[in-house]
Amino acid sequence: AQKVTQAQTEISVVEKEDVTLDCVYETRDTTYYLFWYKQPPSGELVFLIRRNSFDEQNEISGRYSWNFQKSTSSFNFTITASQVVDSAVYFCALLAINTDKLIFGTGTRLQVFP
Amino acid sequence: GAVVSQHPSRVICKSGTSVKIECRSLDFQATTMFWYRQFPKQSLMLMATSNEGSKATYEQGVEKDKFLINHASLTLSTLTVTSAHPEDSSFYICSAISGLNTEAFFGQGTRLTVV
Repeated sequence: AQKVTQAQTEISVVEKEDVTLDCVYETRDTTYYLFWYKQPPSGELVFLIRRNSFDEQNEISGRYSWNFQKSTSSFNFTITASQVVDSAVYFCALLAINTDKLIFGTGTRLQVFP
Repeated sequence: GAVVSQHPSRVICKSGTSVKIECRSLDFQATTMFWYRQFPKQSLMLMATSNEGSKATYEQGVEKDKFLINHASLTLSTLTVTSAHPEDSSFYICSAISGLNTEAFFGQGTRLTVV
C-alpha cells in the first residue's frame, strides 16, 4: 500500500524565518517518484520538484531545498528566509510506477506573517 | 512546461442534473490521467485513474456510475458527475502524466456547486 504522511497540519512563522515541511512516505515499489506542490488560495497546484527513487541527491533551488532520505523514507522541504508570498498549502505526493497512482499527503498549511 | 487545461473552472448546477468536466493535455500525450476531489481545507483524494482507451480504475468508495470517466484520446479525459446532489459540491482537479517522463501536470481545477 502507498501512503504519504505530512504530520504538520499548520505552521506559522514570521518573515525571514527558515521553515521545514516534513514528508514521510510508504511504498513497496522500488521505483517511484516524489513530488512537492504548492497550492495558493486560487486552488491551482504549482509544481515545485520531482525526485525519483534512485536519485538521493539533495536539491537547492533559490530559497527552496529538499532533503531526500531513503533510509527514513522522508522527503523534507525547507524554505529559507520565508516570505509572505510563501503562504500556501504545500502537498507532498508519491507516484509508484507499478501501482500507477499519484497519492497526496494531507498537506501542510504554511502561514508567513510580516 | 507542459499544460493541462481543465474546463470549466466554475460551474453551478441544479440538483439532479449532470455536469461534464473536461481535462485536456495541450502539448503532450497523456497516457494516464488522474481525477481528484478536494474538500475545503483538505487534501486531494484520488477518485480514479484512467488510461487512454481503457476503463477507468476507481478508488474504493467512489461510485463509478455516479462519476463517469472517459479517456477517449491521449489528450482528453472527461469526468461526468451524474444526477448531482449538493454533497457532490467540491473542487475537482485532473492531472495528466506522459509515460515518458512521469512528471504530473495539473489542470486549474473545477469548483462545482450543486444547488
